[in-house]
Amino acid sequence: AQSVTQPDIHITVSEGASLELRCNYSYGATPYLFWYVQSPGQGLQLLLKYFSGDTLVQGIKGFEAEFKRSQSSFNLRKPSVHWSDAAEYFCAVVTGGSNYKLTFGKGTLLTVNP
Amino acid sequence: EPEVTQTPSHQVTQMGQEVILRCVPISNHLYFYWYRQILGQKVEFLVSFYNNEISEKSEIFDDQFSVERPDGSNFTLKIRSTKLEDSAMYFCASSGAISTDTQYFGPGTRLTVL
Repeated sequence: AQSVTQPDIHITVSEGASLELRCNYSYGATPYLFWYVQSPGQGLQLLLKYFSGDTLVQGIKGFEAEFKRSQSSFNLRKPSVHWSDAAEYFCAVVTGGSNYKLTFGKGTLLTVNP
Repeated sequence: EPEVTQTPSHQVTQMGQEVILRCVPISNHLYFYWYRQILGQKVEFLVSFYNNEISEKSEIFDDQFSVERPDGSNFTLKIRSTKLEDSAMYFCASSGAISTDTQYFGPGTRLTVL
């Protein structure tokens, strides 16, 4: 069965520091991969997605992610974190079939220290 | 920018009561989804809906759940007889002309079953 693993439940970084959130997936075919962000009390906002092509994808708010097939990973990065980036981040993979449901990881909660 | 809307934002109900959660997907979207997130857990797929019928449903989506698109704009999730364990945040999502299009999420309805 398809699955998504986010090994880090909670990460704390200082404002201005770089950030990398890890995501590993298990899926037999070529995956469609997503990162969503959820601020407190808010819904899920799409940060970026990978369908095909260039393995380094750029998203909103200065985020990027790199697809590495050999490592089954799709890690999210940001060179300099802002206090407003504090939120929960979810990696997700679209699984196949006639309708493409999202399978989510458990999420990584990001805390940003001033 | 078009967005998915959900009402109500918070619903409190007694165990055994019926609830209807409402969603207005993005207007030209054709694929509709419900997901739920129990507090502290990951977002889980419930059901997908296309061409006025259920395309896929998870094992969570048992006989007490139903979905409907009663008119050209609304998409509803009905829970016939709520249980304590139905307490969760319920997210509606929609995607565009093909099933692999990005899913856009609403802000969610927090359901509390007492």
